[in-house]
Amino acid sequence: GNSVTQMEGPVTLSEEAFLTINCTYTATGYPSLFWYVQYPGEGLQLLLKATKADDKGSNKGFEATYRKETTSFHLEKGSVQVSDSAVYFCALKANTGRRALTFGSGTRLQVQP
Amino acid sequence: NAGVTQTPKFQVLKTGQSMTLQCAQDMNHNSMYWYRQDPGMGLRLIYYSASEGTTDKGEVPNGYNVSRLNKREFSLRLESAAPSQTSVYFCASSEGTATNEKLFFGSGTQLSVL
Repeated sequence: GNSVTQMEGPVTLSEEAFLTINCTYTATGYPSLFWYVQYPGEGLQLLLKATKADDKGSNKGFEATYRKETTSFHLEKGSVQVSDSAVYFCALKANTGRRALTFGSGTRLQVQP
Repeated sequence: NAGVTQTPKFQVLKTGQSMTLQCAQDMNHNSMYWYRQDPGMGLRLIYYSASEGTTDKGEVPNGYNVSRLNKREFSLRLESAAPSQTSVYFCASSEGTATNEKLFFGSGTQLSVL
């Protein structure tokens, strides 16, 4: 079946540090890949997505590249801010089987001033 | 524009009680979903409705029932609540079920079963 594996958190960084959150996936066919972010007390919201191999999704300074050869979709940001503190979820949606998102377990990011 | 609205925001039940979580969206979306969020486990799909009039089981459907009342509303019912159902429940919607579709989430219902 489909699955998503994320690095465990929490990840604690100082402001302006470089961020990487690792995500790998297992899926049949050609899934679309997503990063969602959850701020405290809120629902999830889409951060970025990529729909085919070698696509790069980007938004708000965050980037992730769909790597089919390594089945990965790592999230990166060059300089984090305190306002980036949140839980980040990697997810996939396959083009076969169940037509719904499969999520990773989430990675909590804490950015200190 | 309200988006996806869930009620209630908080609920405490005793084991064996029943309740219904309500969800409504005002974006004219075809597809709606119920997820539960547990620490260390991310979000797991309970049920979804690809279109009005259809519902399908997700990853963890046991102990739950759903009703797609109309295009706007998708409710989740716990017939006999158990402590294992203590969780945060999220409703979501999307235009359809295509692989590149974005999901819009409600703000969640925090449920405790004692």
